[in-house]
Amino acid sequence: DIQMTQSPSSVSASVGDRVTITCRASQGISSWLAWYQQKPGKAPRLLIYAASNLLSGVPSRFSGSGSGSDFTLTISCLQPEDFATYYCQQANSFPLTFGGGTKVEIK
Amino acid sequence: QVQLVESGGGLVKPGGSLRLSCAASGFSFSDYYMSWIRQAPGKGLEWISYISTSGTTIYYADSVRGRFTISRDNAKNSLYLQMNSLRAEDTAVYYCAGTGKALLYKWFDPWGQGTLVTVSS
Repeated sequence: DIQMTQSPSSVSASVGDRVTITCRASQGISSWLAWYQQKPGKAPRLLIYAASNLLSGVPSRFSGSGSGSDFTLTISCLQPEDFATYYCQQANSFPLTFGGGTKVEIK
Repeated sequence: QVQLVESGGGLVKPGGSLRLSCAASGFSFSDYYMSWIRQAPGKGLEWISYISTSGTTIYYADSVRGRFTISRDNAKNSLYLQMNSLRAEDTAVYYCAGTGKALLYKWFDPWGQGTLVTVSS
């Protein structure tokens, strides 16, 4: 199975900050990676697929990069509605696996 | 609008069974591969099962293989998860999610709102 490791597990940031979350796969997954945002009590929401493709309707302050085994989600200018938990997911092979999550909290 | 609505969750005793349903609307359900994903209270996301558009290709996580069965009825725009031999560790919110229009695209969108399954005596 492919293990996905996210870091940090939590980050405290202020509105307007730039936030970077990393995700490492235990083996190469090319660009088969997705990022999700989840707010408390809500279902996750797909933000980015294929490592760097922004889903339609997702604000452009979100961006993704990376390939192989190392990936990054960047929020360029944190907004109040961005405080949430973010998950990466490898879409390379079954079983599909998620990272442990990164909670973005208000500083 | 695009919508997935899960139902069938509830409280069940260890060893019991439950059948979850997921009703799709607002998109061409028969064109989408589908998955079930769960989230234990306060924990992360765990993919548990996947089914192709025709139902002929199915995958399970090791944690549920042999106990859970995924199925779909394209005529009813519905996805199902039959859960048998339930354990306390199966307690979670269960989400159904679209998983692309081709086997190649295994990310999840859209998602349902989730249904809570609690396994307890």
